[in-house]
Amino acid sequence: GNSVTQMEGPVTLSEEAFLTINCTYTATGYPSLFWYVQYPGEGLQLLLKATKADDKGSNKGFEATYRKETTSFHLEKGSVQVSDSAVYFCALHHGSGNTGKLIFGQGTTLQVKP
Amino acid sequence: DTGVSQNPRHKITKRGQNVTFRCDPISEHNRLYWYRQTLGQGPEFLTYFQNEAQLEKSRLLSDRFSAERPKGSFSTLEIQRTEQGDSAMYLCASSLMTPGETQYFGPGTRLLVL
Repeated sequence: GNSVTQMEGPVTLSEEAFLTINCTYTATGYPSLFWYVQYPGEGLQLLLKATKADDKGSNKGFEATYRKETTSFHLEKGSVQVSDSAVYFCALHHGSGNTGKLIFGQGTTLQVKP
Repeated sequence: DTGVSQNPRHKITKRGQNVTFRCDPISEHNRLYWYRQTLGQGPEFLTYFQNEAQLEKSRLLSDRFSAERPKGSFSTLEIQRTEQGDSAMYLCASSLMTPGETQYFGPGTRLLVL
């Protein structure tokens, strides 16, 4: 079945460090891929998405490229800030037929220290 | 655009009681989803509606759970005879009907069953 695997956290970085959070998926066909972020005490917010192979999603300095050959959608940011501390979820959506659900990874906690 | 709203935000109940949660989606969105999130995990799909039709239900959704979306607008999720294992965050999301369309999440209802 379809699944998403994220690197285990927590990830602890100093401010201005480079961030990578790995995400790989298993799915048939061509799913859409998403990164959602959950700040402390808040709901899930869409961070970025990509709907086809080789697409790059980007937002707020974060980027992720849909790599079909490696079934990956790794999240990167060149210089993290303390305000980026949150839990990050990778997810896939298979839009064929009536399948409407998102399938999430387990989440990766990022803590950025000043 | 007021976003997805959920009520109540928190609910504490005793084992065996029934609880009902409400979700108001973004007004022009015809798809509505329910997910459950336990501590340290990603959200897990429960069910989804396209307009008033319930199109998919997860095997996680036992007979004690029922969801409705009577007029294709707001939705309710009822849990009968609650158990301690039902303690979780219940998330609602909505989207347009286009495949791969972004799901926008509400703040969630946190349920604690004593």
